[in-house]
Amino acid sequence: KQEVTQIPAALSVPEGENLVLNCSFTDSAIYNLQWFRQDPGKGLTSLLLIQSSQREQTSGRLNASLDKSSGRSTLYIAASQPGDSATYLCAVQGGSEKLVFGKGTKLTVNP
Amino acid sequence: NAGVTQTPKFRILKIGQSMTLQCTQDMNHNYMYWYRQDPGMGLKLIYYSVGAGITDKGEVPNGYNVSRSTTEDFPLRLELAAPSQTSVYFCASRPPGRYPYNEQFFGPGTRLTVL
Repeated sequence: KQEVTQIPAALSVPEGENLVLNCSFTDSAIYNLQWFRQDPGKGLTSLLLIQSSQREQTSGRLNASLDKSSGRSTLYIAASQPGDSATYLCAVQGGSEKLVFGKGTKLTVNP
Repeated sequence: NAGVTQTPKFRILKIGQSMTLQCTQDMNHNYMYWYRQDPGMGLKLIYYSVGAGITDKGEVPNGYNVSRSTTEDFPLRLELAAPSQTSVYFCASRPPGRYPYNEQFFGPGTRLTVL
């Protein structure tokens, strides 16, 4: 059974700092991995999707990497801003329509 | 496009009551999903649909029913509400095309409390 773990559960950083969020999964047989952002009381916004054949994806200040063999992904956020404060969720998709989610990392960027 | 819309935003139910959570998308997506998110937890898949008239169970389907009569709508039915169904419910959809590389688009959620 696929399990997804995100560390740390919460992170607080000063504005301008570069930071890394971690995601690990137990079954390396995945088709893709997605990083989402969730704001309080809101739905999920897809940030980056990495296909199993890819090593990384970039969007603006965000860079996500995937090491399928070791079951790990990282989300790198450069020059963090208070507007980046949110919960970040990692999810993997295997051989079905089911996405398996981690519990998320709650990020606070302090001005 | 409005994207994925859900109604209601909030609802309180008594034990044993029933209700339908509505989900509509205007992006002509074939695939639609229902998830639940319990406090401090990740999302879990309840049901999904790959097109009108086709539905299938996800990880936690017990206590729920779905139907898909049109491409746009994917309602979730709770027949006999129980406190264990207190959760935030998210609907999502994704475009047709090459499985399984397409990202899912989420609605804003329905916060349901069963007392």
